[in-house]
Amino acid sequence: DGGITQSPKYLFRKEGQNVTLSCEQNLNHDAMYWYRQDPGQGLRLIYYSQIVNDFQKGDIAEGYSVSREKKESFPLTVTSAQKNPTAFYLCASSPGQGLSTEAFFGQGTRLTVV
Amino acid sequence: ILNVEQSPQSLHVQEGDSTNFTCSFPSSNFYALHWYRWETAKSPEALFVMTLNGDEKKKGRISATLNTKEGYSYLYIKGSQPEDSATYLCAFCGGSTLGRLYFGRGTQLTVWP
Repeated sequence: DGGITQSPKYLFRKEGQNVTLSCEQNLNHDAMYWYRQDPGQGLRLIYYSQIVNDFQKGDIAEGYSVSREKKESFPLTVTSAQKNPTAFYLCASSPGQGLSTEAFFGQGTRLTVV
Repeated sequence: ILNVEQSPQSLHVQEGDSTNFTCSFPSSNFYALHWYRWETAKSPEALFVMTLNGDEKKKGRISATLNTKEGYSYLYIKGSQPEDSATYLCAFCGGSTLGRLYFGRGTQLTVWP
């Protein structure tokens, strides 16, 4: 079945360690996105990519990095520079530039930094 | 950062009640307005994507309207059922870039049997 797969579902890391969250899609979508959700907040955009080998910062990119070497994959690295990394992270994709069609979401990764 | 507001923040209704929520967004440089339903432990799923002023869309007991000139959209649920319990998100596409969505904080609906 086509869809977006995020792994792992739950992730625990020690403070100061970098951690990479996986996002893979087999929908042949050009655009992919990473969002963060905190309690009481809406989805906030971290990074997005509209085409392979290109990506843009969202609203809260500090302390995060991404790569888009393949169309299917958009991994997110939470670096030690991110001051409050504990959060729920959602990956999404859409067919292309211009969001006149729906976005599709993964099931999320809950990251806890101790 | 563009501001997208949703109200109310949460809503508790009895089974069979009809309900509605509001999404407010910038009235300039509009491109699209999305509604998503997000059930606990699942992925957000699209309900509607609306692009034209005056648009009305319907899916079963759920419908939505769009007013781009004044910057608001309403989502209606007729005869709420417990399975409608979820967080309903709206997201605006527009402004200076068409390649991203701006999400509201959502309306959390609980339908009691």
